[in-house]
Amino acid sequence: DIQMTQSPSSLSASVGDRVTITCRASQSISSYLNWYQQKPGKAPKLLIYAASSLQSGVPSRFSGSGSGTDFTLTISSLQPEDFATYYCQQSYSTPRTFGQGTRLEIK
Amino acid sequence: QLQLQESGPGLVKPSETLSLTCTVSGGSISSSSYYWGWIRQPPGKGLEWIGSIYYSGSTYYNPSLKSRVTISVDTSKNQFSLKLSSVTAADTAVYYCARHNEVTVVTAGAFDYWGQGTLVTVSS
Repeated sequence: DIQMTQSPSSLSASVGDRVTITCRASQSISSYLNWYQQKPGKAPKLLIYAASSLQSGVPSRFSGSGSGTDFTLTISSLQPEDFATYYCQQSYSTPRTFGQGTRLEIK
Repeated sequence: QLQLQESGPGLVKPSETLSLTCTVSGGSISSSSYYWGWIRQPPGKGLEWIGSIYYSGSTYYNPSLKSRVTISVDTSKNQFSLKLSSVTAADTAVYYCARHNEVTVVTAGAFDYWGQGTLVTVSS
């Protein structure tokens, strides 16, 4: 199985901050990497697909980059509604695997 | 707007079979290029992909669960289903159904539509 490791596991930030979350794959996954946002009690929501493509309806302050084994999700200016848990997920091989999550909290 | 809704018992006894159904509305489960999957999340923990199915009935499963999992599709009802046998407390989780694209360099097989999730507790 391909292991997905996110860092940090948790992060405190303020409204307006620029935030970067990192996801590392245990082997190369090309650009088969997706990012999700999950709020408490809700289903995950797709933010970024194929490493850098913004899902329709997602604000442009979210962006993704990377290929191979190292990927980043950046939020350019945090908004109150962005405080949530973020997951990366690879679709390069079966089983599909997710990172352990990064919890973004208000400072 | 595509919608997915999970249904099934919220409580299952140990050693029995967990059965859930996902009803798709606002679109056809027989759409080409889309797969239909199950993902679960134990309370307070991360996400685990269980398996996926194409409308033709072609399936692929997480090897860690494969011996206990069956996913099926009923195109006439626009539904797909999950059966997980010999459950234990470790199978207690919120179970989500979701749609994902065929894996290509453009789509990366992302899960783009999700159900709201249903909590299944395994307990006697």
